[in-house]
Amino acid sequence: QITLKESGPTLVKPTQTLTLTCTFSGFSLSTSGVGVGWIRQPPGKALEWLALIYWNDDKRYSPSLKSRLTITKDTSKNQVVLTMTNMDPVDTATYYCAHSLSEWFDPWGQGTLVTVSS
Amino acid sequence: SYVLTQPPSVSVAPGQTARITCGGNNIGSKSVHWYQQKPGQAPVLVVYDDSDRPSGIPERFSGSNSGNTATLTISRVEAGDEADYYCQVWDSSSDHPFFGTGTKVTVL
Repeated sequence: QITLKESGPTLVKPTQTLTLTCTFSGFSLSTSGVGVGWIRQPPGKALEWLALIYWNDDKRYSPSLKSRLTITKDTSKNQVVLTMTNMDPVDTATYYCAHSLSEWFDPWGQGTLVTVSS
Repeated sequence: SYVLTQPPSVSVAPGQTARITCGGNNIGSKSVHWYQQKPGQAPVLVVYDDSDRPSGIPERFSGSNSGNTATLTISRVEAGDEADYYCQVWDSSSDHPFFGTGTKVTVL
């Protein structure tokens, strides 16, 4: 059974850097074809894809946020870390990580709500 | 950038059929995936590759894709199907995924 869980701060101040960790079980990020992605959802709004990292360390970023995002993996710890710099109130959202074996995401973590406020 | 447009809302009576559309330029040439998101919960994959269902998803959920429109069909709608539904594709030109605008399904 594959499970993922997001962790990180619930509140960050504007201009600060957000660091989120996705800890997973039931699969290995060293297995060919496997990826882990990050998706966020502002309150009451639609899903927005952020970043994706693959077993071979190949990475993809949302073009609109690429300059602010970094995704890394620690295969030995079964973790993927997403950092987002220069946080702004518009970045307030629930952040999800999800397993990917092809073009889709399944399953997803429970999500973590991050509020950006001074 | 690739835009996926969904109707904001669809209302359906119990036992009837709900059809949720996802419009995109030549979307029929891409594989479409659908997620169900109930209030306060994470999205759940209900259809992948246009019309395949993950294990555990009822046969009442089906999908189709042609031309500029993909459709998620929910047959014999139940109260428990009330949720937001999102379509998603991988655009090879951009080499990343895109999500649709989302549709809220209300069971009357």
